[in-house]
Amino acid sequence: GENVEQHPSTLSVQEGDSAVIKCTYSDSASNYFPWYKQELGKGPQLIIDIRSNVGEKKDQRIAVTLNKTAKHFSLHITETQPEDSAVYFCAASPYNFNKFYFGSGTKLNVKP
Amino acid sequence: EAGVAQSPRYKIIEKRQSVAFWCNPISGHATLYWYQQILGQGPKLLIQFQNNGVVDDSQLPKDRFSAERLKGVDSTLKIQPAKLEDSAVYLCASSSPRRTPFGNTIYFGEGSWLTVV
Repeated sequence: GENVEQHPSTLSVQEGDSAVIKCTYSDSASNYFPWYKQELGKGPQLIIDIRSNVGEKKDQRIAVTLNKTAKHFSLHITETQPEDSAVYFCAASPYNFNKFYFGSGTKLNVKP
Repeated sequence: EAGVAQSPRYKIIEKRQSVAFWCNPISGHATLYWYQQILGQGPKLLIQFQNNGVVDDSQLPKDRFSAERLKGVDSTLKIQPAKLEDSAVYLCASSSPRRTPFGNTIYFGEGSWLTVV
């Protein structure tokens, strides 16, 4: 089955700096890659996703890049704000299955 | 559009007791998932339903966990008897039927927090 690895496990940045979280996957059949943000005491919320027919997607301060050859994808947050502090999860979903495999999470701390 | 609803939000039980969690998915979502999230880890799939049929329950500890989705809408996850290691957040999620070659977005509820003492 699919195996998703996520790094780093914790990330501390100064407000206004950029943050990058990286994930790798093992199954070349995976073609959909969502990112979730989980705040304390809440369920994961989708913040951005990318499908394998594109290499990059942006939504305001958030962007995701995908390298299918290397089987890795990354989340980029620019101009970080304290409210970006949360745990972020990446996930991969193989073609033809409605299954999702999650990374272990990155705790992002944005210091004011 | 209403999100995925879960209850109860918090539950504390003693080991060997039983507990049940309820989930109501987003209207029209045929696929329903139960995930277990242990503190500091990513969600782990317990069971996946397509309408009222089980698609995948390979990670469900069937000696103590059971789940059902009668009528293809609401779902209940039960643990009996509970063990200390069952302390976790139980997340319900749902997605609409796949209509493209790519995966469909899944939406999570707020989770049911279980503490077994």
